Amino acid sequence: EVQLLESGGGLVQPGGSLRLSCTASGFIFSRYGMSWVRQAPGKGLEWVSGFSAGGTAYYADSVKGRFTISRDNSKNTLYLQMNGLRAEDTALYYCAKPLMVRGVIDVVYYGMDVWGQGTTVTVS
Amino acid sequence: AIQMTQSPSSLAASVGDRVTITCRASQDIRNDLGWYQQKPGKAPKFLIYAASSLQSGVPSRFSGSGSGTDFTLTISSLQPEDFATYYCLQDNTYPWTFGQGTKVEIK
Repeated sequence: EVQLLESGGGLVQPGGSLRLSCTASGFIFSRYGMSWVRQAPGKGLEWVSGFSAGGTAYYADSVKGRFTISRDNSKNTLYLQMNGLRAEDTALYYCAKPLMVRGVIDVVYYGMDVWGQGTTVTVS
Repeated sequence: AIQMTQSPSSLAASVGDRVTITCRASQDIRNDLGWYQQKPGKAPKFLIYAASSLQSGVPSRFSGSGSGTDFTLTISSLQPEDFATYYCLQDNTYPWTFGQGTKVEIK
């Protein structure tokens, strides 16, 4: 069974740091780009950061320069280092994997088909 | 970043109704659009990818259409378990961006 399990959330003061982890199982983690998505209380979904299939890291404008995504394929784990935290970073943080579809020649990745249960970050 | 404008922000419908939600991109995203369903306290569920391809296990009453900048999610006959919030997501260009969501409520 494909599973994602986030951890590392908590209460932090403005300006502080946290590192989130997402441990994957049930699939070949190294073959997938992965994403972090957050949801502030009572608000919509916001894509935060992710790796493309080619391994390039990307960020939302709202976190660029403050957050760093990384991964350890030997541990099947995705990370999100969050520095300079602000009240507006308060949210439930999900990690998610893309859907892989095998074509005739290659594979194509789409969106996010499996999500973790999330870990809560509170900046106050 | 590409802006995704979703409408309506909420709607009230009855079981059996046909429901349509639209999403408009601020620039051409080909067919690189997905739809997600989220229920309170739960992680989002992937419904449709590549604008019109149904994710495995998703009921056939859900369908998607569109390309370029204008997209539609249709629920052909609303069921009790479909009352939820729906989001579109463009995965054409990083940073990926979601629409603001459409809450489907019981009339």
